[in-house]
Amino acid sequence: GESVGLHLPTLSVQEGDNSIINCAYSNSASDYFIWYKQESGKGPQFIIDIRSNMDKRQGQRVTVLLNKTVKHLSLQIAATQPGDSAVYFCAERNSGGGADGLTFGKGTHLIIQP
Amino acid sequence: DAGITQSPRHKVTETGTPVTLRCHQTENHRYMYWYRQDPGHGLRLIHYSYGVKDTDKGEVSDGYSVSRSKTEDFLLTLESATSSQTSVYFCAISASGGNSPLHFGNGTRLTVT
Repeated sequence: GESVGLHLPTLSVQEGDNSIINCAYSNSASDYFIWYKQESGKGPQFIIDIRSNMDKRQGQRVTVLLNKTVKHLSLQIAATQPGDSAVYFCAERNSGGGADGLTFGKGTHLIIQP
Repeated sequence: DAGITQSPRHKVTETGTPVTLRCHQTENHRYMYWYRQDPGHGLRLIHYSYGVKDTDKGEVSDGYSVSRSKTEDFLLTLESATSSQTSVYFCAISASGGNSPLHFGNGTRLTVT
């Protein structure tokens, strides 16, 4: 079954607001996490990653938070723009896994309202 | 974009026919992957390659085979297509396997009638 999942399948936010997309994982042995953005008709696009020895990492307008205690990962998008509309999903890597060790969540559809 | 080209972008084929999807990369990455994406499922790994002529099975490998004769090309073959193989297929590449992000192509939408 899915060890990586999302709390909400759809998230609707106002343009300019901050968005928070959540991801729960069940494998405490996971040591590497990645967030992807997927627009309609396109392949997943890498946004940001984080390793288990960190609890926060920032990129351009995005921040990923990792809470290993409750096995929770979140993606924060600041000042959401229309171009942020997409499906976002997380992936985790089991530390015992090799090159095939990534498990992907099903995704959250982020909708930006004007 | 990560220099990944998938071809064809769309294909319709009949049950029982062979189909080959191609992935071409210009990044010289060692690792290449084939995933399928279906509604209600996350991306699921079909096969992957960790070098020329080095391949291994993923989670949903039944009915699929792969070949990698050159670093830049990774082929996915459906020997005898079935309707359950109707899906969107994504190729991905990675510099260092599970320790670095995968970068994806834009997919091939395959319909088996």
